Amino acid sequence: QSVLTQPPSVSAAPGQKVSISCSGSSSNIGKYYVSWYQHLPGTAPKLLIYESYKRPSGIPDRFSGSKSGTSATLGITGLQAGDEADYYCGTWDFSLSVGVFGGGTKLTVL
Amino acid sequence: EVQLVESGGGLVQPGGSLRLSCAASGFTLSSYWMNWVRQAPEKGLVWVSRISTDGTDTDYADSVKGRLTISRDSAKNTLYLQMNGLRAEDTAVYYCARGTWQNGLDVWGQGTTVTVSS
Repeated sequence: QSVLTQPPSVSAAPGQKVSISCSGSSSNIGKYYVSWYQHLPGTAPKLLIYESYKRPSGIPDRFSGSKSGTSATLGITGLQAGDEADYYCGTWDFSLSVGVFGGGTKLTVL
Repeated sequence: EVQLVESGGGLVQPGGSLRLSCAASGFTLSSYWMNWVRQAPEKGLVWVSRISTDGTDTDYADSVKGRLTISRDSAKNTLYLQMNGLRAEDTAVYYCARGTWQNGLDVWGQGTTVTVSS
């Protein structure tokens, strides 16, 4: 059972938009930044969003992040086949003093 | 090129030990917080441990506390994870990752596989 809650799966057609939610609590998301990661099986995870909404260089603006209260959201527009992957949110939990990831969301591009 | 390369994984019996290494190139390891993250088969990413830039601060997931030890060697530009008292539930791909939860874990290795089985 993950400290951060994500939907197990989301799907949408190519070119469409999808949102992935990440729900936490006052000791983690409510208090700190959220980062988002894209993970394809057998490869290294990739940082998509840091400080809740900032994109590292090289990450297209099709990817966006937002945070409100104890929840965060990753948005992906103009879906492409290559976006099919597992997506994880992550942050620090100040009560547990540990890093925490969400359980992951599998994105399927129909 | 900024890169992390893990090594040291393998098959070990329950109760056994392994030491994982994570060699950094293209940047100075001691300038960054470093982390270990693992993924058990068919499961999600789980944070394991982190170490501060000077090595004085370390944190661990409860499931590994007292059994796994993170360390770094600045001269070798290498991060380590000493794994003792291994259990079947430690079976996973182990990734090292650079960064903090504020700035994101921005550089990851390809992972090394640890299998704990008799």
